[in-house]
Amino acid sequence: GESVGLHLPTLSVQEGDNSIINCAYSNSASDYFIWYKQESGKGPQFIIDIRSNMDKRQGQRVTVLLNKTVKHLSLQIAATQPGDSAVYFCAENPPKSGAGSYQLTFGKGTKLSVIP
Amino acid sequence: DAGITQSPRHKVTETGTPVTLRCHQTENHRYMYWYRQDPGHGLRLIHYSYGVKDTDKGEVSDGYSVSRSKTEDFLLTLESATSSQTSVYFCAISEREKAGELFFGEGSRLTVL
Repeated sequence: GESVGLHLPTLSVQEGDNSIINCAYSNSASDYFIWYKQESGKGPQFIIDIRSNMDKRQGQRVTVLLNKTVKHLSLQIAATQPGDSAVYFCAENPPKSGAGSYQLTFGKGTKLSVIP
Repeated sequence: DAGITQSPRHKVTETGTPVTLRCHQTENHRYMYWYRQDPGHGLRLIHYSYGVKDTDKGEVSDGYSVSRSKTEDFLLTLESATSSQTSVYFCAISEREKAGELFFGEGSRLTVL
């Protein structure tokens, strides 16, 4: 697969434990945030999103927390499983002008390794 | 899985040659994107399209051009490939209302020698 794991911070967790992946975003005016998961050799896959008028959102086994005061985003994965092993990216939607759709700015990613 | 097909999946070429990567979707989504992914840089937007014949530049557009003559196809062209364009290229699509939810293709690995 592609070497997207090089130079990335790595988080190792025991199977069954909870995982917390952190992300510091850059633009205080960003109003929308997304987490993506990328397994080796595949394209990124949408996990969960949150808008800036919220500070918490829950999905299936995942929770995203947003702290706008310190421009921090976190992804919590409950009861981590081996299939959760992947690189996780946060992305923000900074304000922009002109025509066109959303343009996301992606973080560099964190590699999650689950120990069986 | 969203119906996104990238071709070719792997290509090795020489410096100075033209290269075209194709993204084909069967979802009828309006928005399409080309990203490149490099170690230490994450995903960076090259170009995107918000409709047929409507395209705009992204963060790293120099050395790349795109075309979208029909909804389902978005082409990325490197007119004269350079070694710095060695990368993994991802196509993505989205609907307007959920534009943060991008659906990505499997990627095209390009090596420029």
